[in-house]
Amino acid sequence: ETGVTQTPRHLVMGMTNKKSLKCEQHLGHNAMYWYKQSAKKPLELMFVYNFKEQTENNSVPSRFSPECPNSSHLFLHLHTLQPEDSALYLCASSQDWHEQYFGPGTRLTVT
Amino acid sequence: QQPVQSPQAVILREGEDAVINCSSSKALYSVHWYRQKHGEAPVFLMILLKGGEQKGHEKISASFNEKKQQSSLYLTASQLSYSGTYFCGTRNYGGSQGNLIFGKGTKLSVKP
Repeated sequence: ETGVTQTPRHLVMGMTNKKSLKCEQHLGHNAMYWYKQSAKKPLELMFVYNFKEQTENNSVPSRFSPECPNSSHLFLHLHTLQPEDSALYLCASSQDWHEQYFGPGTRLTVT
Repeated sequence: QQPVQSPQAVILREGEDAVINCSSSKALYSVHWYRQKHGEAPVFLMILLKGGEQKGHEKISASFNEKKQQSSLYLTASQLSYSGTYFCGTRNYGGSQGNLIFGKGTKLSVKP
């Protein structure tokens, strides 16, 4: 595998479910990001990790819980989501704060 | 502070040129440009760090005017493969290094 991978690519979940999104980067980068992309909206930064430490949390509701066990892996744990949370969730990585490399995203639908 | 991109959308014929602008109300430290094709992830194009600096990527170049707090992306002799949505991401002076704020995007369609 090369670049940034994300699983699953598509996810449908009910409002009472608990699920997790996974991101893995094979680029040796030290920073990882979660973004939310909704239709007709800009990319919204959710969380940033640098060397496994969270450096940004852009007022994201607590129903989204990130986890970064090491510099190569990033998870987004989801629970009791709302329909408005349906979106494309993109993971990215970078070396320091240089150009970001994005994964293909997880298309999430909350029913 | 979210940067403002203009135009929101543009349609070109192959071979035509286009300019996409990205403006900020705050002093800019750096500007990133990305292109996202439909159903795909955003792909990095270039970063601009200094005032007035221009960078190039194939037939795509960009400028950064610190005074005007603005960056422009220039696409010359457009190709069909240039179609997609172009996003600028900005870092402001005094802002967090990890916090890249993206504009709403400019949708570019290149027709044969």
